[in-house]
Amino acid sequence: GQQLNQSPQSMFIQEGEDVSMNCTSSSIFNTWLWYKQDPGEGPVLLIALYKAGELTSNGRLTAQFGITRKDSFLNISASIPSDVGIYFCAGQLGGSARQLTFGSGTQLTVLP
Amino acid sequence: SAVISQKPSRDICQRGTSLTIQCQVDSQVTMMFWYRQQPGQSLTLIATANQGSEATYESGFVIDKFPISRPNLTFSTLTVSNMSPEDSSIYLCSARDQETQYFGPGTRLLVL
Repeated sequence: GQQLNQSPQSMFIQEGEDVSMNCTSSSIFNTWLWYKQDPGEGPVLLIALYKAGELTSNGRLTAQFGITRKDSFLNISASIPSDVGIYFCAGQLGGSARQLTFGSGTQLTVLP
Repeated sequence: SAVISQKPSRDICQRGTSLTIQCQVDSQVTMMFWYRQQPGQSLTLIATANQGSEATYESGFVIDKFPISRPNLTFSTLTVSNMSPEDSSIYLCSARDQETQYFGPGTRLLVL
């Protein structure tokens, strides 16, 4: 089955710093999604990417759909304490099933 | 976007009993899913809930253990049957509209 490698597994950064995380796949995906999960909550969609090479921003967040369709990255600029949480990438194949494959997550800690 | 609610939000159950989790979406969606998330882990797809027919289960999950219903386009239930401590987890309902996929807040289950 599809494998998604997400890195880094965890990050500790100072408030105000930029952070980057990425996912790579052994398979080609048609869609990449980035979610954030706060403790005790379900994942919340941050950014959705639908075309290879697409670069999309949502406030301080920027994500790109890799040209090869096998990778994606998420950047967070000028981090703030509320950025703390677990970030998941997810890839979706085409076709009728269109199931999501999730990365293992990146635990982000923002130090004051 | 779709807003998803689940109930109960959490429960503590005795082994051997069963729990039914309800999921309600605020709009008609094309697909609904059930995921399991162990603490500190990524999301694992249990099954796709099909309207008016049997759910489609992923490898390692069976209907006798996790019966699922989806009587209409906005509602689904997942039952965790004959529970054991290994079933302690977060169970997440998810729904997909034409563009992307959303998650409910999760049901935190502890089996004693």
